[in-house]
Amino acid sequence: DVQLQESGPGLVKPSQSLSLTCTVTGYSITSDYAWNWIRQFPGNKLEWMGYISYSGSTSYNPSLKSRISITRDTSKNQFFLQLNSVTTEDTATYYCARLRKGGLYYFDYWGQGTTLTVSS
Amino acid sequence: DILMTQSPSSMSVSLGDTVSITCHASQGISSNIGWLQQKPGKSFKGLIYHGTNLEDGVPSRFSGSGSGADYSLTISSLESEDFADYYCVQYAQFPLTFGAGTKLELK
Repeated sequence: DVQLQESGPGLVKPSQSLSLTCTVTGYSITSDYAWNWIRQFPGNKLEWMGYISYSGSTSYNPSLKSRISITRDTSKNQFFLQLNSVTTEDTATYYCARLRKGGLYYFDYWGQGTTLTVSS
Repeated sequence: DILMTQSPSSMSVSLGDTVSITCHASQGISSNIGWLQQKPGKSFKGLIYHGTNLEDGVPSRFSGSGSGADYSLTISSLESEDFADYYCVQYAQFPLTFGAGTKLELK
C-alpha cells in the first residue's frame, strides 16, 4: 500500500529556513503523479504550497514563489520542502500528499502531517 | 486564485440525519472539485473527486453534486464515524485552493 510520512525539526527560529522530508513507500515517486506539500494553519485554513512531478518538474503557489523549493532524492524515494526566511506565520501542520493529474485530479494519499512551530 | 466559499462553517446534527455542505467557487470549475474528511488530530481522507465520483472504499451514503460554480456534498443517514471536518478543494486551476471547512457536531 502507498504510504507517505513527513518528518521535520518541529521548531524553527524566525528568519531561518525550514526543511521537511516526505518519505514515500509502496510507490516510486518517479513512476507517475505529482507529489505535493500542503499546510494547515492554526484555525484550520489550508494552503497548497506546491508539487514536484514524477518527471521532476515543479509548480509552486505564487504566494510562496520567492521562498519555496521542492526537491527530491529518487534513490531514497523522498521529496523535500524548503521554505526560506520563515516567520511566525509559517507555524502550521505540514502535509505531503499524492495528486493524480491528467484528466481527473485528486489527492489520493496523504501523510499524517508534521507540526512546525516558528518561534524564537 | 479561485476563491472557494464553503458553508456552513459548522452544523449541529443528529445520528441518522441527512446533511448537505456547499462550496461556491469564484468562477466556474467544471466539476473539478473534491471533498475531503478530517477527523480530530488526524490527516485527510478523500471522499469525492470530480464532483460526483466516490473514492475507493467510501460509503455510498456520501454523494456529490453540482455544476458550474456551485457544488454540494451530501451525507445521508449520518453515522457516528461521520462527525468530522469536511473541506472542498478545487482542481480547476493552480494554485489549488480549499474551502474554509465545515465542522459536523453532535446535537
